[in-house]
Amino acid sequence: QQQVKQSPQSLIVQKGGISIINCAYENTAFDYFPWYQQFPGKGPALLIAIRPDVSEKKEGRFTISFNKSAKQFSLHIMDSQPGDSATYFCAASIRAAGNKLTFGGGTRVLVKP
Amino acid sequence: DTAVSQTPKYLVTQMGNDKSIKCEQNLGHDTMYWYKQDSKKFLKIMFSYNNKELIINETVPNRFSPKSPDKAHLNLHINSLELGDSAVYFCASSFQGASSYEQYFGPGTRLTVT
Repeated sequence: QQQVKQSPQSLIVQKGGISIINCAYENTAFDYFPWYQQFPGKGPALLIAIRPDVSEKKEGRFTISFNKSAKQFSLHIMDSQPGDSATYFCAASIRAAGNKLTFGGGTRVLVKP
Repeated sequence: DTAVSQTPKYLVTQMGNDKSIKCEQNLGHDTMYWYKQDSKKFLKIMFSYNNKELIINETVPNRFSPKSPDKAHLNLHINSLELGDSAVYFCASSFQGASSYEQYFGPGTRLTVT
């Protein structure tokens, strides 16, 4: 049972465009939703995170939108740059239950110059 | 200064061998984790320790045994290695029970079993 579903699996966007990655979760007990960026041969790096009492969070060019009733959240990368080309993972956890991260399947983003 | 470090970075070994991976964090966190990333890039939790106490133990073969000698270190020992154990293993750390639950990952250990 995949508790966090991520789409699309891959994405190609032109430089300056907007990359949008969507995630849907099933467990309503999840209360922490981070996004990670992973470059080849590197560990996942925390990008931005949100809690369910907030509908949107922005950090620089990265924005998380959160829809609690739909059990969905998304990452928007504005003004995408070639350096943003990486694999992005959404995740969810229950903070009081050890905070173990349940990851989505990942989205490979390629930004073309 | 690396926040979460792992050794070795690469590990190539034969089936049936026993191997260990070490992890250290200098962030002052009280909780450490092991995750496995398979060939399809899927990431899955294996174990978690909080203040040297095992708090998460997912459905992992008992050939895998974590050990936390102190809050800053978490090791993973694997007995009788199998082909299916080939993967990238990531260590991570965070605070528990605080306002920040951010988990920081190490660079990974790529294990190849031949």
